[in-house]
Amino acid sequence: DIQMTQSPSSLSASVGDRVTITCRASQGISNFLAWYQQKPGKVPKLLIYAASTLQSGVPSRFSGSGSGTDFTLTISSLQPEDVATYYCQKYNSAPWTFGQGTKVEVK
Amino acid sequence: EVQLVESGGGLVQPGGSLRLSCAASGFTFSNYWMHWVRQAPGMGLVWVSHINSDGNTRRYADSVKGRFTISRDNAKNTLYLQMNSLRAEDTAVFYCARGAKTGTTPLGLDPWGQGTLVTVSS
Repeated sequence: DIQMTQSPSSLSASVGDRVTITCRASQGISNFLAWYQQKPGKVPKLLIYAASTLQSGVPSRFSGSGSGTDFTLTISSLQPEDVATYYCQKYNSAPWTFGQGTKVEVK
Repeated sequence: EVQLVESGGGLVQPGGSLRLSCAASGFTFSNYWMHWVRQAPGMGLVWVSHINSDGNTRRYADSVKGRFTISRDNAKNTLYLQMNSLRAEDTAVFYCARGAKTGTTPLGLDPWGQGTLVTVSS
């Protein structure tokens, strides 16, 4: 099965900082990659699908890129409401494996 | 409004069984693949299983294969997860989620239900 590895596992940044989270697949998955945001105590929410397409209603400071095995989620200007754990997920075929998550905190 | 509401969670002894339900509304349930995802306390998301729109294709994570069975009743707009031979490590919040799509191309999971807690303990 394809493994999904995220880095870092956690980060702390200041409001306004640019934040980058990476997700690596152990084999190529084309662009069948989604990013989710899970705020503390809340249900996960789809942020980005097809590696780079923003889900409706998601702020434009979020962006995604990549294809094949290497992917990136970027928050261009971190806001206090972005405190959350972010997960990547591959969905080219079963199992639809998640990365282990990246916890984002504000300094 | 698209809505998914899970039920059926609770406390069960190791080796026991439980059936989770997920009631769907606000969309044509029979047109969508559906998924179960779980999250152990303080841990990350783990994909458990999915089922295609007519119920003929089912896939499972290795950790639950042979113990869990996913099913659906399109007439009742309801997704199920039958869980047998439960273990302590199955303790988690279980979420149902709709497979987002455009045409037949999957796009991830959206939306998610609020989750139901399953606790396996003696």
